[in-house]
Amino acid sequence: EVQLVESGGGLEQPGGSLRLSCAASGFTFSSFAMTWVRQAPGKGLEWVSGIIGSGVRTYYADSVKGRFTISRDNSRNTLYLQMNSLRGEDTAVYHCAKFRGYCSEATCYYMDVWGKGTTVTVSS
Amino acid sequence: QSVLTQPPSVSGAPGQRVTISCTGTSSNLGAGYAVHWYQQLPGIAPKLLIYDNNNRPSGVPDRFSGSKSGTSASLDITGLQAEDEADYYCQSFDISLSGWVFGGGTKLTVL
Repeated sequence: EVQLVESGGGLEQPGGSLRLSCAASGFTFSSFAMTWVRQAPGKGLEWVSGIIGSGVRTYYADSVKGRFTISRDNSRNTLYLQMNSLRGEDTAVYHCAKFRGYCSEATCYYMDVWGKGTTVTVSS
Repeated sequence: QSVLTQPPSVSGAPGQRVTISCTGTSSNLGAGYAVHWYQQLPGIAPKLLIYDNNNRPSGVPDRFSGSKSGTSASLDITGLQAEDEADYYCQSFDISLSGWVFGGGTKLTVL
């Protein structure tokens, strides 16, 4: 069974840092691009960042560019999101998701498996 | 403000049909990128419902169908059931933003 389990969320002060992890199982992790999607309280889904299977290409939403860094360790089947310079508007549930594509280009990707999420609260 | 535009809410009685629209621009749906749909039940992680405009993953009932034309897409739900009450999101790729985008979500209420 394909499974994604996030961890690392918590309460952090504005300007602080957190590192989220997503442990993957049930599929060949290195073969698939992965992504982070967040959902602020009472709001909709917002794509945050993505990374291809090899890790050599990364993508970021403008709202987090320069503050967040996505990475992966294919030997540990784990996806990461390093979040620096945190702001109140980063408060959200952060889901990791597995990408699948109807073609080989990143433009074809959609999220076929989602984790339950980890909660990040940024407040003083 | 979301890149893809959805109505905030729709409703229908059990057994009826509802349609949820998703409107994009020439940078996403109009550029030929596919639309995908997700269902989020209250308090639960999103679930893939439709991919590549009109394809259902295994296990998704054929009451759910999708279509796309130009800068618009829609999700149709027929034979509405109480368990369909959820939030629905469309998603695509945006070439101007060089990333993936979601609609603002539509809350479906089964009357």
